[in-house]
Amino acid sequence: DQQVKQNSPSLSVQEGRISILNCDYTNSMFDYFLWYKKYPAEGPTFLISISSIKDKNEDGRFTVFLNKSAKHLSLHIVPSQPGDSAVYFCAARSGSRLTFGEGTQLTVNP
Amino acid sequence: DAGVIQSPRHEVTEMGQEVTLRCKPISGHNSLFWYRQTMMRGLELLIYFNNNVPIDDSGMPEDRFSAKMPNASFSTLKIQPSEPRDSAVYFCASSLGADQPQHFGDGTRLSIL
Repeated sequence: DQQVKQNSPSLSVQEGRISILNCDYTNSMFDYFLWYKKYPAEGPTFLISISSIKDKNEDGRFTVFLNKSAKHLSLHIVPSQPGDSAVYFCAARSGSRLTFGEGTQLTVNP
Repeated sequence: DAGVIQSPRHEVTEMGQEVTLRCKPISGHNSLFWYRQTMMRGLELLIYFNNNVPIDDSGMPEDRFSAKMPNASFSTLKIQPSEPRDSAVYFCASSLGADQPQHFGDGTRLSIL
């Protein structure tokens, strides 16, 4: 039972363009959502988060959108940079427990 | 700033052996989490501690796995006896509070032959 799903295993974009990473969830009890970035041989690094009472949170080049009715969230990166190339995980929180998606490999081409 | 420190970074051992993974959380963080990452199941929570007390161990696969947190600056995850299906990357994470963003270590890549 995959409660958090990232349906795109990979995404490739050109430098300077927008990257949009998507995530769907099924559990209505999730009250907080996070995005993590992971480079090879390193642990995930916290990127940005959003509470379920909001629909948008912005931090520099990164914006997370939440559509509660659709149980969908997305991460926008603009402009994309080659250093953004990594695996991106969305995570959803219920209580103190985080449930992670499978991850999306983003490649930003120079 | 020192992040979450895990040791060893890599471990290769034969099945049946005892394996001990170690974690030092960020100083001042009172919540600690152990995760396992595999191709099949992705990143899944094994157990988490709050103020050194295990709160939720429902993710621990079976009795061969045990975790301890004897003090605020150290935790271990032990597998005894180890099996090839335990091969995975094991991550430790800590946070200021159970509802704060978690900070991950770089993981231990475990291979059981």
